[in-house]
Amino acid sequence: QVQLVESGGGVVQPGGSLRLSCAASGFTFSSLGMHWVRQALGQRPEWVAFIQYDATKKYYADSVKGRFTISRDNSKNMVYLQMNNLRGDDTAVYYCVKPHVTLHMDVWGRGTTVTVSS
Amino acid sequence: ETLLTQSPATLSLSPGERATLSCRATQSVGSNNFAWFQQKPGQSPRLLIYGASSRATGVPDRFSGSGSGTDFTLTISKVEPEDFAVYYCQQYGVSPYNFGQGTKLEIK
Repeated sequence: QVQLVESGGGVVQPGGSLRLSCAASGFTFSSLGMHWVRQALGQRPEWVAFIQYDATKKYYADSVKGRFTISRDNSKNMVYLQMNNLRGDDTAVYYCVKPHVTLHMDVWGRGTTVTVSS
Repeated sequence: ETLLTQSPATLSLSPGERATLSCRATQSVGSNNFAWFQQKPGQSPRLLIYGASSRATGVPDRFSGSGSGTDFTLTISKVEPEDFAVYYCQQYGVSPYNFGQGTKLEIK
């Protein structure tokens, strides 16, 4: 079955960096784009970034543009989110999300928690 | 950027009652690229409806979606105890793929 497992979360000071990873299995990873979506405690989900299946196109939310970078390794079925210059409002659970071929977000990982605090 | 507003913020119902949740977009959502998610405490969002009206795999038929353009509705025909949760709408047609602020369905 389709599985997405995030890792790499933790506690980091403001201005610091973290790299999140997502291990995908159960589907043809190299044929699909992938999303990162985050959710602060008690808030709505917030889409963060998307990477096309072949990594030729990447899209970012304005709130993270210039600080976060999405990438992927199709040989390892992995997608990454490099987060630099972290701020307090980046504190959230970060989900790796697989879209269906018809674009809707149909499978979510369990998430990894990022806390930005001094 | 398409923003989504859900109403009501909280819906208090008894099991067996009908639930009607609304979501309004600031711009027309093309090709009905519109979804509804259910989220329970400590869990990831779960896809319920996509394409405005198609049920995701395994979703009970008491859940139905309708609407087009800027106005969308999620209906639960008879609320079951396991349906009490927060529901989010989302448009996935154009980046940024925004979500609504959520409707909490609580037990009356």
